[in-house]
Amino acid sequence: QKEVEQNSGPLSVPEGAIASLNCTYSDRGSQSFFWYRQYSGKSPELIMFIYSNGDKEDGRFTAQLNKASQYVSLLIRDSQPSDSATYLCAVKAGNQFYFGTGTSLTVIP
Amino acid sequence: DAGITQSPRYKITETGRQVTLMCHQTWSHSYMFWYRQDLGHGLRLIYYSAAADITDKGEVPDGYVVSRSKTENFPLTLESATRSQTSVYFCASSSWGSGAPVEEQYFGPGTRLTVT
Repeated sequence: QKEVEQNSGPLSVPEGAIASLNCTYSDRGSQSFFWYRQYSGKSPELIMFIYSNGDKEDGRFTAQLNKASQYVSLLIRDSQPSDSATYLCAVKAGNQFYFGTGTSLTVIP
Repeated sequence: DAGITQSPRYKITETGRQVTLMCHQTWSHSYMFWYRQDLGHGLRLIYYSAAADITDKGEVPDGYVVSRSKTENFPLTLESATRSQTSVYFCASSSWGSGAPVEEQYFGPGTRLTVT
């Protein structure tokens, strides 16, 4: 059973702060790592992907990957109320994608 | 319209009935997926397809059947619906395997299925 674990939250941060979301995975053979954002009642949408150890930055988002520790994180800088959503960590192993249960983030104005 | 669509968006059915959920994508993506999303379990893969006439099981395939006779369509059938299959079902497609640089999945709007 391949597992992807996330803190379910809810995580609340004030507007302008940094939100830190964490994810661990069980399969050392996992190849690719993704963060999806899902607004309530909507479908998931990809916001970040990372394939190599280290940091990857895209605007206010930074994904961090540590394969030795089997750990992926997402940092959201200058958090905005529009960032309030559930964030899903996803891991690709073989031909399949495995999702965590998601972390609910609320950004307080 | 371009994109990925699902129908119906909402469905109520009775235990034991057969139900088919439809998924259609206009991008000619090779890969298509069916997920269910339940509180406490997140998204779980039911079945996926790498191309027309090629399908494979995911994490939770029991009670479901899929087919893919055309690249753009990937229907999911619940042969005899049970209450435990009450869920939100998402179809997704991906250009992964066609030389795309990112293994991004594009999700449809979802079908909310209630089995009474």
